[in-house]
Amino acid sequence: DAGITQSPRHKVTETGTPVTLRCHQTENHRYMYWYRQDPGHGLRLIHYSYGVKDTDKGEVSDGYSVSRSKTEDFLLTLESATSSQTSVYFCAIRGQETQNTEAFFGQGTRLTVV
Amino acid sequence: AQSVAQPEDQVNVAEGNPLTVKCTYSVSGNPYLFWYVQYPNRGLQFLLKYITGDNLVKGSYGFEAEFNKSQTSFHLKKPSALVSDSALYFCAVREMNTGFQKLVFGTGTRLLVSP
Repeated sequence: DAGITQSPRHKVTETGTPVTLRCHQTENHRYMYWYRQDPGHGLRLIHYSYGVKDTDKGEVSDGYSVSRSKTEDFLLTLESATSSQTSVYFCAIRGQETQNTEAFFGQGTRLTVV
Repeated sequence: AQSVAQPEDQVNVAEGNPLTVKCTYSVSGNPYLFWYVQYPNRGLQFLLKYITGDNLVKGSYGFEAEFNKSQTSFHLKKPSALVSDSALYFCAVREMNTGFQKLVFGTGTRLLVSP
């Protein structure tokens, strides 16, 4: 696997609590992404980053925020977790400026909101 | 907007037989196309990509994919399936010459190879 570490790998939290997921990379890649995976939906983009402090929304960004203060770390925060945010979350990275490079994925974080 | 369709939720094939996992796409420009595989409780692993050039692309683990521009398809194929190929397969597309490198995934196709 590429140098991507997601933490925690599993988390159970209560509705209404804040949750932060971390993605850490050792590849010095520019682009970082957060996806969620749900049955019947495949992977859907939540937020992405194209550099330190440069982030933008994906297609399912409501209820999520992100921060990237260092190249290697991309944090995903659920400000007030809801049951609909129960999912598996994947971080991905991609390095090159050209568009033809593939993204590499972390192992995922399974989040359960009860 | 970009989109990807994987029309089959599941594909069943016997070991040793050829397999095909279908993917069609929609973009306004020229596409970059990717296939990923996901094994249980794992992240996605890159299999192969089409950027330009030959329509038949070869990738990891004996997989290949055929790009067909007129049919806007990028089907994944393997001449002889293995039980170990059983997994979830995702097709993805990224549009060329857009301002951001957004990768859009299909809903996935589960491949089940029986002994």
